[in-house]
Amino acid sequence: AQTVTQSQPEMSVQEAETVTLSCTYDTSESDYYLFWYKQPPSRQMILVIRQEAYKQQNATENRFSVNFQKAAKSFSLKISDSQLGDAAMYFCAYRSRATGANSKLTFGKGITLSVRP
Amino acid sequence: EPEVTQTPSHQVTQMGQEVILRCVPISNHLYFYWYRQILGQKVEFLVSFYNNEISEKSEIFDDQFSVERPDGSNFTLKIRSTKLEDSAMYFCASSPPPSGGYEQYFGPGTRLTVT
Repeated sequence: AQTVTQSQPEMSVQEAETVTLSCTYDTSESDYYLFWYKQPPSRQMILVIRQEAYKQQNATENRFSVNFQKAAKSFSLKISDSQLGDAAMYFCAYRSRATGANSKLTFGKGITLSVRP
Repeated sequence: EPEVTQTPSHQVTQMGQEVILRCVPISNHLYFYWYRQILGQKVEFLVSFYNNEISEKSEIFDDQFSVERPDGSNFTLKIRSTKLEDSAMYFCASSPPPSGGYEQYFGPGTRLTVT
């Protein structure tokens, strides 16, 4: 079974600064997907960024980028130019590709990010 | 942009009562899921559904739970006899055919409170 670990329960960043959120995972599979989801106080789950394991290039979406280290099973999220609206809970998630198109997401415990004005 | 919708946004029920949580997935999606999140904890998988059948279910999804796609648009989660520990946020999600991507799109959630 796959596991996702987010060991930092909380982080804080100054507005306009850069912050990195850590995530590690454990799997015996070679083909999978990784995601970061944002959950603001409204508790809606919003997809931030995605990464296919077979791609060596790190995904980027505007101010959000990942550092995907497949051998180390590490998938960190970097938020550049942090904004007050980035304050939220962030979840790292894993999805197998081997078990089919409707395979489940396995989430980490999440990290609470606060942004200081 | 199409969205997953869920109703109601908040449901309060008494222990032992039946509840039905409703979801309307994105129209061209084929795969449907329910997850739950107990307050302050991580999001947990309950069940996945495809072609009118359960594809996978977790240990949480016991005989008290059932899912149904009664028509071409709705996807429901029924809890037959609610317990206090069923209090949680319940999220519905859907994903497109493989050719359309691999992300799961989440609804806004239903907060279930069992008293």
